[in-house]
Amino acid sequence: SQTIHQWPATLVQPVGSPLSLECTVEGTSNPNLYWYRQAAGRGLQLLFYSVGIGQISSEVPQNLSASRPQDRQFILSSKKLLLSDSGFYLCAWSVGGRQYFGPGTRLTVT
Amino acid sequence: DQQVKQNSPSLSVQEGRISILNCDYTNSMFDYFLWYKKYPAEGPTFLISISSIKDKNEDGRFTVFLNKSAKHLSLHIVPSQPGDSAVYFCAASRGELDTGNQFYFGTGTSLTVIP
Repeated sequence: SQTIHQWPATLVQPVGSPLSLECTVEGTSNPNLYWYRQAAGRGLQLLFYSVGIGQISSEVPQNLSASRPQDRQFILSSKKLLLSDSGFYLCAWSVGGRQYFGPGTRLTVT
Repeated sequence: DQQVKQNSPSLSVQEGRISILNCDYTNSMFDYFLWYKKYPAEGPTFLISISSIKDKNEDGRFTVFLNKSAKHLSLHIVPSQPGDSAVYFCAASRGELDTGNQFYFGTGTSLTVIP
């Protein structure tokens, strides 16, 4: 069966510090991968999606970036965090028209 | 521009009664719709879906209705149980097949089922 991992589960970072969130998928190959953010009081905002290694599409201009160095690895990064980057970050993969989400990372920027 | 909208941020229902969650969309190209359930500090989990060729899909206590002319869908939960208390997200896409299409999510409705 397929499994999606995200880490860390929670993170508290000061403004201006770098960020790296990692997502890995097991049990499937060449998945479509997605990064979402759920900010307080808002829905799920699509940040990036990837249909293959090195292929990244950005949906929202921001100070975040994503990379896909391996087939089943998706990384969300920032060089300098802003207060507005606080939120719940979700990685997802899709197959058969459905998306399956990881457990999420709660990021608090102080 | 929010292409999928859930205009009710919250809903409270008595246990045993029906919960009706609503969702509207603006893009007529959407042809596949999904509902997700999310507990705090967890990722959303898939609940039920419907293709635009249908107007109803049922799975146990959960039924999704689609009105294409009104660009409206709803999720009915009967009977509602306290364990159903969660945030429900409506989502839409332009294809049931996995082609890397985007999934557009609503802002969510927080359902509270009162025992």
